[in-house]
Amino acid sequence: KNQVEQSPQSLIILEGKNCTLQCNYTVSPFSNLRWYKQDTGRGPVSLTIMTFSENTKSNGRYTATLDADTKQSSLHITASQLSDSASYICVVSLFMDSNYQLIWGAGTKLIIKP
Amino acid sequence: ETGVTQTPRHLVMGMTNKKSLKCEQHLGHNAMYWYKQSAKKPLELMFVYNFKEQTENNSVPSRFSPECPNSSHLFLHLHTLQPEDSALYLCASSQDGGAGVSYNEQFFGPGTRLTVL
Repeated sequence: KNQVEQSPQSLIILEGKNCTLQCNYTVSPFSNLRWYKQDTGRGPVSLTIMTFSENTKSNGRYTATLDADTKQSSLHITASQLSDSASYICVVSLFMDSNYQLIWGAGTKLIIKP
Repeated sequence: ETGVTQTPRHLVMGMTNKKSLKCEQHLGHNAMYWYKQSAKKPLELMFVYNFKEQTENNSVPSRFSPECPNSSHLFLHLHTLQPEDSALYLCASSQDGGAGVSYNEQFFGPGTRLTVL
């Protein structure tokens, strides 16, 4: 069964600290993996996209990694800011029968405290 | 702003009401989507439209009725909903050349928070 599992479900850290969010998937055949950030009261916004051959991709203080062998991805946030408080959603796409399908994770809710 | 707007932002309705959600995208995309987002659950894809044609309906109950008059506008008509339909309803758009879900990034609106009493 195609699934995306994210951990932890929620996380509270102090401003300025680093954190890492995890995404494990059992999706096949794999096409790509995206991380979205969803602020409260807003829709998700894409942070990064990674294909099979990419191991690391950065977007400012956000760095995503992908291990296609173990089917794991992580999102590392450096020097967290209050504005990083949001839900972070991992989405894996697969291509089958001439169609793309997106498998969404349930997200990790991150709270940054001053 | 993402270029995708949704109205209303909040909606409270009784189970016998009829209401509609509206979505408009200003990005020139040709694919539009409705999603349901419930607390602590993954987004659930409801409907996909490509070039105004519905290409996916993921076993959504008939009390939800989508309408796509053109590539820029998408509606979700609601009728005799149940309390378990309370959720955040998200509209998204993407640029796509074919049918079904796109490979390309989806741009989301802010959502409509729906409460069914």
